[in-house]
Amino acid sequence: RKEVEQDPGPFNVPEGATVAFNCTYSNSASQSFFWYRQDCRKEPKLLMSVYSSGNEDGRFTAQLNRASQYISLLIRDSKLSDSATYLCVAGGSSASKIIFGSGTRLSIRP
Amino acid sequence: NAGVTQTPKFQVLKTGQSMTLQCAQDMNHEYMSWYRQDPGMGLRLIHYSVGAGITDQGEVPNGYNVSRSTTEDFPLRLLSAAPSQTSVYFCASSLSSNYGYTFGSGTRLTVV
Repeated sequence: RKEVEQDPGPFNVPEGATVAFNCTYSNSASQSFFWYRQDCRKEPKLLMSVYSSGNEDGRFTAQLNRASQYISLLIRDSKLSDSATYLCVAGGSSASKIIFGSGTRLSIRP
Repeated sequence: NAGVTQTPKFQVLKTGQSMTLQCAQDMNHEYMSWYRQDPGMGLRLIHYSVGAGITDQGEVPNGYNVSRSTTEDFPLRLLSAAPSQTSVYFCASSLSSNYGYTFGSGTRLTVV
């Protein structure tokens, strides 16, 4: 079983919709969590960190549920430019071992 | 500010050849990692380092060596290239585990 698991999608939603992704992690000792965005044939770029209290950045909200060992990303009022692959990340068996999920593909249609 | 620089951007190797993928960062980051990305597999951690002189294995270390003689550089060496090592390789660096990684633009490697 992979340490970090995501639904690969694709999610195909209309512009303006709200979409949510979940990601589960297996290492209960993980301390750091992130969401990344990756465009086709480009490097991943940090979207946001995920904090225990939840955090928001504009249209994006990230949540962490330690009891159930999952993190989530909510995108409100989706734009065409949000089309990308979203990667969730959890610190692995040591704090410095950062493990990525396989990614969830999102496609926003006009 | 160059960030994370990877060279080369593209490489074709013959089976059995060895080569070194270069990675350098100018942000004084202690943490550096190498990942490979294959279709449908996401990013898989090959090796990582928490500082000069310290390296450790990730999820898929076989067939790869690393060294970290300076804070800035973290080269990845392929010992004897195999077609299964055809992939896109990303190097990334971070100030610490509490900060996200900054990625290089990747090296596309094909082994024939």
